[in-house]
Amino acid sequence: EVQLVESGGGLVQPGRSLRLSCTASGFTFDDYAMHWVRQAPGKGLEWVSGISWNSGNIGYVDSVKGRFTISRDNAKNSLYLQMNNLRAEDTAFYYCAKDRATVTLYYADNWGQGTLVIVSS
Amino acid sequence: EIVMTQSPATLSVSPGERATLSCRASQSVSSNLAWYQQKPGQAPRLLIYGASTRATGVPARFSGSGSGTEFTLTISSLQSEDFAVYYCQQYNNWPPITFGQGTRLEIK
Repeated sequence: EVQLVESGGGLVQPGRSLRLSCTASGFTFDDYAMHWVRQAPGKGLEWVSGISWNSGNIGYVDSVKGRFTISRDNAKNSLYLQMNNLRAEDTAFYYCAKDRATVTLYYADNWGQGTLVIVSS
Repeated sequence: EIVMTQSPATLSVSPGERATLSCRASQSVSSNLAWYQQKPGQAPRLLIYGASTRATGVPARFSGSGSGTEFTLTISSLQSEDFAVYYCQQYNNWPPITFGQGTRLEIK
């Protein structure tokens, strides 16, 4: 059974940093691309970033470019999102999601339960 | 960026009836479209990919159609567990991958 468990969320002040982690199990992690998708409370889904199996293909939504960095450690079956210079509008549940593809990004066939990031002073 | 527009924002349907949800892309996405279902307090669940292929375990009452810029998700006979929010997502051109704003399917 595929399991994705996010951690690292919490309350952080504007301008500060936070690092999210996602630990994967139940599948061969380095066979798949991965995503971070966020959802502000009561709002819709927003794709944040994605990364191919070997980190060769990476993409970001414009609103986080230059502030967020996605990475993965295949030896640890883990996905990360380093979030710097956080803003109030980054407040959301952040979901880790597994793609069905390896080299490129398609759609998420499995999702974690999310971790909540609140950016507030 | 490809903008995905879903309609209606809210759809009220009685159990047992058919529901038809629409998704429009601002430019062609070929058949590179997925549909997700999200219930309150839960993560999204993949329903359809490739515009019309049901994901593993998805009941046959869910069907997807369309290509290019116009897509439809049809639920043939609504069950109580189907009342949720539905999102479409294109993966033809990225970054960014883009979602529609969602359609809330509620009990009439």
